[in-house]
Amino acid sequence: DADVTQTPRNRITKTGKRIMLECSQTKGHDRMYWYRQDPGLGLRLIYYSFDVKDINKGEISDGYSVSRQAQAKFSLSLESAIPNQTALYFCATNETATQRLHEQYFGPGTRLTVT
Amino acid sequence: GQNIDQPTEMTATEGAIVQINCTYQTSGFNGLFWYQQHAGEAPTFLSYNVLDGLEEKGRFSSFLSRSKGYSYLLLKELQMKDSASYLCAVRDGPGTYKYIFGTGTRLKVLA
Repeated sequence: DADVTQTPRNRITKTGKRIMLECSQTKGHDRMYWYRQDPGLGLRLIYYSFDVKDINKGEISDGYSVSRQAQAKFSLSLESAIPNQTALYFCATNETATQRLHEQYFGPGTRLTVT
Repeated sequence: GQNIDQPTEMTATEGAIVQINCTYQTSGFNGLFWYQQHAGEAPTFLSYNVLDGLEEKGRFSSFLSRSKGYSYLLLKELQMKDSASYLCAVRDGPGTYKYIFGTGTRLKVLA
């Protein structure tokens, strides 16, 4: 089983709809991240969380909200979807432990299309 | 500001060596990472540098010069499966564990 999972994997929705993307991890990591990837723009950070009680905005948080329901779960919501939120969304995790590389582990991605 | 530059595309021949460069200007620095991403898939970790010099890992090596804000990823004995995008990412500052990604370099390996 994959260590970082995302649901749904693909979603088509209409402008103005609320949508939630979910991320779960079995790696026991404390830190979780949401990114979006657009052609030519690379990965951009939306929100990140260092533990259940810690939520931080990334560089492009407008139009998004998150919830860290448990250490293993981090959800991303689009309150009122708009077409320019069409993108590939990735969840990632890493750990705080010292003497580690702190490389990120990515989920398989959610391809979201807003029409 | 935060800026990471990489070439958009590169092409190389199977069996050859290719070097993918990355330059960065960030407000803080606490390590540079390289990830590989096949089309439509998740990025996967390749290498990490925090001190100046070369880190070698099989067919892949990564180099860092902090004074120049420069890194490269060297891929040897190229294989067709190495056709992918290669993402350079800088970890911003001690303790924050935020990562700033470049736009990626799409590498095509030709037979």
